[in-house]
Amino acid sequence: AQTVTQSQPEMSVQEAETVTLSCTYDTSESDYYLFWYKQPPSRQMILVIRQEAYKQQNATENRFSVNFQKAAKSFSLKISDSQLGDAAMYFCAFRGRYGGATNKLIFGTGTLLAVQP
Amino acid sequence: DAGVTQSPTHLIKTRGQQVTLRCSPKSGHDTVSWYQQALGQGPQFIFQYYEEEERQRGNFPDRFSGHQYPNYSSELNVNALLLGDSALYLCASSLTRQVLSNQPQHFGDGTRLSIL
Repeated sequence: AQTVTQSQPEMSVQEAETVTLSCTYDTSESDYYLFWYKQPPSRQMILVIRQEAYKQQNATENRFSVNFQKAAKSFSLKISDSQLGDAAMYFCAFRGRYGGATNKLIFGTGTLLAVQP
Repeated sequence: DAGVTQSPTHLIKTRGQQVTLRCSPKSGHDTVSWYQQALGQGPQFIFQYYEEEERQRGNFPDRFSGHQYPNYSSELNVNALLLGDSALYLCASSLTRQVLSNQPQHFGDGTRLSIL
């Protein structure tokens, strides 16, 4: 069974600085997708960034980028130029590409990010 | 373009009661998944509905059941409520033909269920 581990329950960063959130996962599959979701107090899960396992190039979305290490099964999120609006709970999620016609997401336990002005 | 909508926003029930939560998927989506998010935890997959049938189920007891209507909207029913059922229940929608792609699920704001 696949598992996702986020070892940092809480992180803090100064506004305009850079922070990295860690995520490791375990799977026997060779092809899969990884996601980072943001959940502000409004509760809605918002997709931040996605990565396909078959792509070696790390995904980037504006101030957000990932460091995907497939052999180490590591998928960290880097937030550059942190803004107050980045404060939220961040979840790392895994989805297998095969194994049934479903897109079930497996989530980690989350990292609560605080942004200090 | 309406996103995923869930109702109600909050709900308070007592142990032993039954509850129904509702979800309307994003326009154009035909697949609905339900997740349970306990306080301080990540969401846990309950089940997924497509073509009005349960396609896959997570590790949840039979007290949790669902339904999908021809318009793709869905309900989550929980019987014989326990204190441990207190959680945020999230609905997510997607388009099945995009299942094997990197297209993400779209989430609603959730229903906060409190059991007294």
